[in-house]
Amino acid sequence: AQKVTQAQTEISVVEKEDVTLDCVYETRDTTYYLFWYKQPPSGELVFLIRRNSFDEQNEISGRYSWNFQKSTSSFNFTITASQVVDSAVYFCALSEASGTYKYIFGTGTRLKVLA
Amino acid sequence: NAGVMQNPRHLVRRRGQEARLRCSPMKGHSHVYWYRQLPEEGLKFMVYLQKENIIDESGMPKERFSAEFPKEGPSILRIQQVVRGDSAAYFCASSRRGVNYGYTFGSGTRLTVV
Repeated sequence: AQKVTQAQTEISVVEKEDVTLDCVYETRDTTYYLFWYKQPPSGELVFLIRRNSFDEQNEISGRYSWNFQKSTSSFNFTITASQVVDSAVYFCALSEASGTYKYIFGTGTRLKVLA
Repeated sequence: NAGVMQNPRHLVRRRGQEARLRCSPMKGHSHVYWYRQLPEEGLKFMVYLQKENIIDESGMPKERFSAEFPKEGPSILRIQQVVRGDSAAYFCASSRRGVNYGYTFGSGTRLTVV
């Protein structure tokens, strides 16, 4: 069965601190895709990154970086030097090759960055 | 090139009324997906439609909910006889075909049932 677990319900950090959001997934497929989305207080969903199961390279985009480890079924997201504008709910999602349109979302991690 | 457009952004309905949520896909997209986000939860898949066809409605509640994507015009998610438990954010996404490259969602419709 497919499942995405974001164990951290809420995290609070002070501005400029680094923070890592955890995501653990379960799937039986060998081909799958992982995503991160940001939901700011305004409510829309912002696509951040997609990673396929054959690409274990870590990715960095500005202050954002992602660590994909198949051995532990994890796809963690780190924000370096956090800013108040990073305050949002972050969702990790999984789609399997056998049903690529059906994304399985985690329950989200609410990040509060305090000035 | 406009993104996925959803309207209204906010919708308030009394119990027993009908709610109609509209989704206009991105230009050139013929596949639409609806997801529901209950308060303090992640999004859950509801239905996948192509023009004039329902491909997968496995996530739709069995009663009161229906969806369509006509040849012309937006996709409509219809909820009849709404109840308080239907209060949620409803998101729509669109694509040309498979979406393993990542959905672009609309801004969502927040339905409040009073």
